Amino acid sequence: QQKVQQSPESLSVPEGGMASFNCTSSDRNFQYFWWYRQHSGEGPKALMSIFSDGDKKEGRFTAHLNKASLHVSLHIRDSQPSDSALYFCAARAPNTGGADRLTFGKGTQLIIQP
Amino acid sequence: SVLLYQKPNRDICQSGTSLKIQCVADSQVVSMFWYQQFQEQSLMLMATANEGSEATYESGFTKDKFPISRPNLTFSTLTVNNARPGDSSIYFCSTGRHNERLFFGHGTKLSVL
Repeated sequence: QQKVQQSPESLSVPEGGMASFNCTSSDRNFQYFWWYRQHSGEGPKALMSIFSDGDKKEGRFTAHLNKASLHVSLHIRDSQPSDSALYFCAARAPNTGGADRLTFGKGTQLIIQP
Repeated sequence: SVLLYQKPNRDICQSGTSLKIQCVADSQVVSMFWYQQFQEQSLMLMATANEGSEATYESGFTKDKFPISRPNLTFSTLTVNNARPGDSSIYFCSTGRHNERLFFGHGTKLSVL
């Protein structure tokens, strides 16, 4: 079973609209989350992390974490064509030591309609 | 931030052959990771490579099939032995520190005929 589940698989949003992604961990050890995005033909790039309950805002991006339900979401306001990409949720267990071994979800493909 | 350069960008090889993918960092890094990604699907962690020690492999990946070297703090190579069509995917090297973001190379697209 995939330890990090994402929904929806794909999403189409008009330019200027709000894009929302969901992610749930089925492993209670996974409590630290990252959002990455990957443009076609490139490597993934980190957007933001969220380790504590509640909201975290960085520019147009807002992440929300509920540790009790192991649910994390990402919202992009005022979506731009350059936001069209594959978005990944990634999670890790605490106290893994050294560098982080991340488990990635299957991704959500976002298309922004001009 | 860290820049990671991978070589080659893409490769086509025949079944049964072996190929090497190189990853070079623009600064010294402790850990390097290798990920496998099938066409626009999830990234699967293959192994973790620290300088001067044997790589640690994740379930489903073995040293015999995917040997990894890490001779110094800026360099790593991933070898795909006895390549099969099922190995056709994109391979990424990445690096990062605890609680910090991972940086990824641009990937090496492998096609096995």
